[in-house]
Amino acid sequence: DVKVTQSSRYLVKRTGEKVFLECVQDMDHENMFWYRQDPGLGLRLIYFSYDVKMKEKGDIPEGYSVSREKKERFSLILESASTNQTSMYLCASTYGRVPEAFFGQGTRLTVV
Amino acid sequence: AQTVTQSQPEMSVQEAETVTLSCTYDTSESDYYLFWYKQPPSRQMILVIRQEAYKQQNATENRFSVNFQKAAKSFSLKISDSQLGDAAMYFCAYSGTSYDKVIFGPGTSLSVIP
Repeated sequence: DVKVTQSSRYLVKRTGEKVFLECVQDMDHENMFWYRQDPGLGLRLIYFSYDVKMKEKGDIPEGYSVSREKKERFSLILESASTNQTSMYLCASTYGRVPEAFFGQGTRLTVV
Repeated sequence: AQTVTQSQPEMSVQEAETVTLSCTYDTSESDYYLFWYKQPPSRQMILVIRQEAYKQQNATENRFSVNFQKAAKSFSLKISDSQLGDAAMYFCAYSGTSYDKVIFGPGTSLSVIP
């Protein structure tokens, strides 16, 4: 089975801190994604990557950056956390020509 | 830009009954994929069913089936013989052939009443 693992299920950070959310997949998938999930808004794409060291902005990239130094790892970075970034963050990966997404278990981030 | 709409924020169904969740989408592409994902309280997103737009036959997976109306851009999910374990948030999603991203609707929260 494909496994997508996010480093934390729950995280509490202070305003202004630099925050790293890590995601690792074990199936050699080319594409990796970071989504933000908020009630009533569904999942919104922050950034995605289709290859090592490649990244593309999604629909809501402001305030975030990403890093993909290795194929299996995709990191989301909040440069200076703010309270409006309190949310659930979901990492996903896809492979080949069938865009079925495999998800991690989510990280619920609270910025205080 | 593609969009996905789910007009039912919340639904409920009696155990063993049938429920239909609605989804509409907007796209100018002729070839694409549609999905229904389930997110139970554990938060682990699980693929329920997938439909390729070029296939006219509606997809089915055990108790789950879809009604895909391409001209109307409608993609509803029918759950038959509902079980307590079906209680979850259900997301309708779209992906075009560029494979660059999956677009999600806002979700429908389904409750199953014993």
